[in-house]
This record gives sequence, C-alpha cells and structure tokens, in this order.
Amino acid sequence: AQTVTQSQPEMSVQEAETVTLSCTYDTSESDYYLFWYKQPPSRQMILVIRQEAYKQQNATENRFSVNFQKAAKSFSLKISDSQLGDAAMYFCAYRSGFGNEKLTFGTGTRLTIIP
Amino acid sequence: EPEVTQTPSHQVTQMGQEVILRCVPISNHLYFYWYRQILGQKVEFLVSFYNNEISEKSEIFDDQFSVERPDGSNFTLKIRSTKLEDSAMYFCASRTEGVTEAFFGQGTRLTVV
Repeated sequence: AQTVTQSQPEMSVQEAETVTLSCTYDTSESDYYLFWYKQPPSRQMILVIRQEAYKQQNATENRFSVNFQKAAKSFSLKISDSQLGDAAMYFCAYRSGFGNEKLTFGTGTRLTIIP
Repeated sequence: EPEVTQTPSHQVTQMGQEVILRCVPISNHLYFYWYRQILGQKVEFLVSFYNNEISEKSEIFDDQFSVERPDGSNFTLKIRSTKLEDSAMYFCASRTEGVTEAFFGQGTRLTVV
C-alpha cells in the first residue's frame, strides 16, 4: 500500500518570504500522480498543484512550485512571496495511475504566515 | 466555474440515528468519491463510485455505510446507525474521464451526540 509522509506538522513564514513544505511517499508503482491540497479554516479542500510522475519537469502554478525527486520519492511544495491568504493546512496526496484512483493523503502541515 | 456542492454544511444527529449526506458532483464528471476527516486528523478515503457501482471501499466503509446515485445528479452517503466516532467532516469529490485531479465539495460537518 502507498503511504504519504509529511514530517512537518507546523511551519511558519514571514509574509513575502519563501517557504518549503516537505512530503515523501512510498510506492512500488511507476505511474502515479502527486498533489498538494490546501485546506483553509473553512475546511474546504482546494487543489494547489499537481505533478505527473512521468513528467521530469517540475510543476509550477504562479507562486507555487514543486520539487519532484522521483528517485528519492520526494515531493516538496515551495510557496514564494507568501501572503496572508496562504495560511492553511497543506496536504500532500498520492494517486495511483492504475485502478480506481483514490487519493492517499499525508497528515498535513499547518502553515502560519507572520505579518 | 462548476463546483461540487454538498448539503447540509453541518448536521447534528443523535447516536443511533440514520443520516444522509448529499452531494451534487460537477455535471460531466464520472467518478465520485467520499472521504472523511476526523477533526485534527488526515483525510481518509471511504469509497469510490463509477458506472453506478462501488469500485473500491476502505476498511472504514463497513455495513453501516452505503452510497447511492439515485437520480443521475445527486450522490449520497448514508450512515445507518451513527456512532459517536462517526463525527467528522465528510467530503464528496468528483472527477471526469482523463482528468487526474478530483474536485472537492466544501464538506459536511457531522456531529453525533
């Protein structure tokens, strides 16, 4: 079974600075997808960014980018120019490229933005 | 922008009662999911549904749970006899063919007293 590990329960960053959230995963599959979801205090799950395992290029969405290290099974999220609205829980998630494609989530990192 | 809609946003029920959580997935989506998040914990998969049948369910999804797509638009999760430990946020999600990410609803907070 696949597992997702987020080793940082909490992180904080000064507004306008850059922060990196860590995620590692364990799988024996070759075809899979990785995601970062944001959960603000409203508790809705919002997709931040996704990465296909077959793509070598790291995904980027505006201020959000990932560092995908397939051999190391690492998938970190970098938030540049942090804003107050970035404060949330961030969940890393894995989805197999085969079968029914459920998401397996990590335990989350709570990000605090310091004004 | 299309979105997944869940109702109610918050439901309080007495232990042993039946509850039905409702979801309206995005209209052209074909894959439907329910997830659960106990307060302060990670999001856990409950069940996936495709082509009018369950495609996978987790160990959590025991006989007290059931899902249904009664009318081609709604997707419901029924808990037959609620327990205190069923108190959680329940998320519905959906995705379409060929799209990798699932879109989540805003969740239903279930409180069992």
